[in-house]
Amino acid sequence: DTAVSQTPKYLVTQMGNDKSIKCEQNLGHDTMYWYKQDSKKFLKIMFSYNNKELIINETVPNRFSPKSPDKAHLNLHINSLELGDSAVYFCASSPRTGDQGRLVFGPGTRLTVL
Amino acid sequence: RKEVEQDPGPFNVPEGATVAFNCTYSNSASQSFFWYRQDCRKEPKLLMSVYSSGNEDGRFTAQLNRASQYISLLIRDSKLSDSATYLCVVNKQGYGGSQGNLIFGKGTKLSVKP
Repeated sequence: DTAVSQTPKYLVTQMGNDKSIKCEQNLGHDTMYWYKQDSKKFLKIMFSYNNKELIINETVPNRFSPKSPDKAHLNLHINSLELGDSAVYFCASSPRTGDQGRLVFGPGTRLTVL
Repeated sequence: RKEVEQDPGPFNVPEGATVAFNCTYSNSASQSFFWYRQDCRKEPKLLMSVYSSGNEDGRFTAQLNRASQYISLLIRDSKLSDSATYLCVVNKQGYGGSQGNLIFGKGTKLSVKP
């Protein structure tokens, strides 16, 4: 019944490792997003996909690579993890690109890089 | 001036009190405004959209002042369950013809005490 789900919920890893976070939405929404919330609580958009196509790519290191196999899934792969990547990563979806205000967020993935 | 600015609080109020938060935004071309609520260690959830004419949803009233570039949220008859961080959200008007990204404020923390 969960509208937007993410796995894993917690991720603790060493610097230099590669990790992935998965996201799925069952709302039939066209647009999906990745947001990052850092320790100062700022929530910033990283990527946005509309029907599997990348439409927003903010200034994010290219160690971060999103992948959308279909419009219900948006995964995030992170290479060569750094200490500064520690944050909560939220997946979200909205009915369409022009309706970003009505975001439905997943529960978040708390990433800790040691 | 920050794109979206809020008083971080905390606002500590007794149950039953009326409390108001303001949020200022820098982009005069912004068209869409929202309030989200984020409970501790949870995902943000849409509380309400903010319309030019102002809007009310039960105990919550949101207003927009375009001339002064601020939006407000008023909560009447505060409940313990209203304790959360309230995020002001403004769209960053458009590149590529889209509505552009959403910019989240850092949030105002509200704590309602018995």
